[in-house]
Amino acid sequence: DTGVSQDPRHKITKRGQNVTFRCDPISEHNRLYWYRQTLGQGPEFLTYFQNEAQLEKSRLLSDRFSAERPKGSFSTLEIQRTEQGDSAMYLCAGTSGSSFTDTQYFGPGTRLTVL
Amino acid sequence: DQQVKQNSPSLSVQEGRISILNCDYTNSMFDYFLWYKKYPAEGPTFLISISSIKDKNEDGRFTVFLNKSAKHLSLHIVPSQPGDSAVYFCAAPTDSWGKLQFGSGTQVVVTP
Repeated sequence: DTGVSQDPRHKITKRGQNVTFRCDPISEHNRLYWYRQTLGQGPEFLTYFQNEAQLEKSRLLSDRFSAERPKGSFSTLEIQRTEQGDSAMYLCAGTSGSSFTDTQYFGPGTRLTVL
Repeated sequence: DQQVKQNSPSLSVQEGRISILNCDYTNSMFDYFLWYKKYPAEGPTFLISISSIKDKNEDGRFTVFLNKSAKHLSLHIVPSQPGDSAVYFCAAPTDSWGKLQFGSGTQVVVTP
């Protein structure tokens, strides 16, 4: 158990609907990352936060995606006007420390299915 | 731009034998590598890492080897156990904030 939780674990939605996912890292995790994994691929970076500041967004994150980390604690990832191509596993990871070698601890993921 | 590659999507090995998983990278600036293990319906779990100043790192049954000149790393699992059946990803941080780039994974099946 990494201590990182994600909610919901599964989400089925219809194309065009908005969805929001939540990630709760442990309190020591000053950095938080979002990744997306599709079938047969490794996780792909989406965005990350240092405390409450969003430092970078991948070009995979279109304008329909928005992420927040208010007060540097939990984080949310919202997808507006979902498309079938958004179907994937959305993973968040947390880490403490300040080095790029610090281990990232992943949550169980939210599996999104867009019909 | 896929800079970390795992060219073997699957590997089947008998219990007790050695599993060897391979990973290639293209960016010579990478100086730290990790292996993660993933079971179905779970997030990736950190397994072992290696810094570019080393060519080998060992942790119990798991050993990672790094060949910088070939831009190649491998993970050895010996002896393989049924509980090792999972997908294994190699990964490398691509910036100072630890943004990871992952390979596409290798599915390992350990048979009794």
